[in-house]
Amino acid sequence: LAKTTQPISMDSYEGQEVNITCSHNNIATNDYITWYQQFPSQGPRFIIQGYKTKVTNEVASLFIPADRKSSTLSLPRVSLSDTAVYYCLVGDGNKAAGNKLTFGGGTRVLVKP
Amino acid sequence: DTAVSQTPKYLVTQMGNDKSIKCEQNLGHDTMYWYKQDSKKFLKIMFSYNNKELIINETVPNRFSPKSPDKAHLNLHINSLELGDSAVYFCASSHPGQALNTEAFFGQGTRLTVV
Repeated sequence: LAKTTQPISMDSYEGQEVNITCSHNNIATNDYITWYQQFPSQGPRFIIQGYKTKVTNEVASLFIPADRKSSTLSLPRVSLSDTAVYYCLVGDGNKAAGNKLTFGGGTRVLVKP
Repeated sequence: DTAVSQTPKYLVTQMGNDKSIKCEQNLGHDTMYWYKQDSKKFLKIMFSYNNKELIINETVPNRFSPKSPDKAHLNLHINSLELGDSAVYFCASSHPGQALNTEAFFGQGTRLTVV
């Protein structure tokens, strides 16, 4: 399983864009990159997933360079409610069953007023 | 109309007791998981079931025994509880039949405190 490295914490202010970069140097050809968000006292929630280039949904954007050794989650115009822990995961999205969804330490994002 | 529901939400019990945590998902998923989140907030997988069959069993003490009566339920029974078992336990489900099966849905968690 490809190991991921991301910053332990980041501070931001309301209305700013937050970019969290995750390193995954040993990513395999079949691996997809997935990000989860976890609020205090709640379970993790799927945010976005991608394989290469750029993916955008209503919540975030995911930028993946050509070598796929890193990825950046971009949260546009954050609000106080975006304060959470963000986890970067790398795994074989096409595995039939038994995907372990290995979570790393995550990045604790604090949005200040 | 909760997708993945766990009961109880909080559980306080004494060392040596046996307890169970129940999990149900109404998403029609084939795969269910149990994760443990310790005080340092690291999430570690414990078990995974696919269609009622155990497919992942990480290094977990034998005191932990998952049971899946049907593919919508995955319960966790813990024998002889120890102080170190105190953590938040999350149930999750996903659908490996889809092309990308790394989207899992998590329950709200069960905070277990062993005293």
